[in-house]
Amino acid sequence: DAGVIQSPRHEVTEMGQEVTLRCKPISGHNSLFWYRQTMMRGLELLIYFNNNVPIDDSGMPEDRFSAKMPNASFSTLKIQPSEPRDSAVYFCASLRWVVGTDFWQPQHFGDGTRLSIL
Amino acid sequence: SQQGEEDPQALSIQEGENATMNCSYKTSINNLQWYRQNSGRGLVHLILIRSNEREKHSGRLRVTLDTSKKSSSLLITASRAADTASYFCATDDQGAQKLVFGQGTRLTINP
Repeated sequence: DAGVIQSPRHEVTEMGQEVTLRCKPISGHNSLFWYRQTMMRGLELLIYFNNNVPIDDSGMPEDRFSAKMPNASFSTLKIQPSEPRDSAVYFCASLRWVVGTDFWQPQHFGDGTRLSIL
Repeated sequence: SQQGEEDPQALSIQEGENATMNCSYKTSINNLQWYRQNSGRGLVHLILIRSNEREKHSGRLRVTLDTSKKSSSLLITASRAADTASYFCATDDQGAQKLVFGQGTRLTINP
């Protein structure tokens, strides 16, 4: 089975440019999470979706960050304009949740996008 | 803020020895999960223990949970070089549909 697929794996761009990170969750999974990992702050949840609907975006650092999930098989995280402090590894994770059951199933992570803003 | 805090931050042992990592958390939880992260890769789920469970085994892994102390431990027995990775605990804030991860323990297994 294909796992969570993220692209690109690496992105280097200059400050002020728009950055778009992409995620394809595992087929059949209906919850999707975007995380950011840095040495200083560890792994932080940015936003998550259930059935393509954003549920909690309280971790999104500021208005420069936006995330969409237009369908069950694709999500994007966009940073515009980018800043050097946005440099981090961004992970996408997914799980399959059946409404009415325990939500806390194992999350399946992609291998991340390593983002460097110069 | 971090819910789970792992201890130690780094651990280096010889192949074949057992490795024990600890996690403390602050609020009531429904479950606690452990994940492994190899260098340059995403996190991989290892084991989940629910709040009404005290111990769980999976292969060479043994997890304990003490809700009265708000702590958990992960024991890896008969360690192998391939176990070299960072290990994270993750908890939910009871009622919240999201996990909060600790800072992790970097485990190095020396051949």
